[in-house]
Amino acid sequence: DAGITQSPRHKVTETGTPVTLRCHQTENHRYMYWYRQDPGHGLRLIHYSYGVKDTDKGEVSDGYSVSRSKTEDFLLTLESATSSQTSVYFCAISDFSGLAENEQFFGPGTRLTVL
Amino acid sequence: GESVGLHLPTLSVQEGDNSIINCAYSNSASDYFIWYKQESGKGPQFIIDIRSNMDKRQGQRVTVLLNKTVKHLSLQIAATQPGDSAVYFCAVGGGADGLTFGKGTHLIIQP
Repeated sequence: DAGITQSPRHKVTETGTPVTLRCHQTENHRYMYWYRQDPGHGLRLIHYSYGVKDTDKGEVSDGYSVSRSKTEDFLLTLESATSSQTSVYFCAISDFSGLAENEQFFGPGTRLTVL
Repeated sequence: GESVGLHLPTLSVQEGDNSIINCAYSNSASDYFIWYKQESGKGPQFIIDIRSNMDKRQGQRVTVLLNKTVKHLSLQIAATQPGDSAVYFCAVGGGADGLTFGKGTHLIIQP
């Protein structure tokens, strides 16, 4: 398994509170991604990073921000959590160096519940 | 942009039979296609991928077929086993800006 960890694995919070999810990798991959997974929607891209301090928006970026100050860490922040952000969040990494050039390796996920 | 469609949310097959899971995509310029398997409570795991310059690729018990004319992708699993029970996602992409996923097909194995 690719060396990807996510923390916390589970979190329950209240509407309006800030939340930060962390993705940590030990593979030295350049690209990192945050997805959310909801029933009926599959996985949808929130934000991604193509290097330290280089990030861009994905399909569902509203209400989320990200930061990447080190290669190994990619943080996802919900500035003021809402119930619609209740979801399972997955981090993924990629380096475009393998035979499967666009293959992304996924972390174990974080289940976030916003009450 | 790209959209990826689901043909069947659930597929039930007998153990030992072959399974075929289908996917459709919208962007004819897409050049990379990948299938993931997701077991309950886990992140998606890579199964097999294919580039647009191919129409078939085989792995261990799995085959991916790509029909660019009708923008259709399929995953075939031979001799389905209980451990194949999972949700299968197709995903489409061509660059570093992430993949577009389909909604997934839940494969159920009947004993």
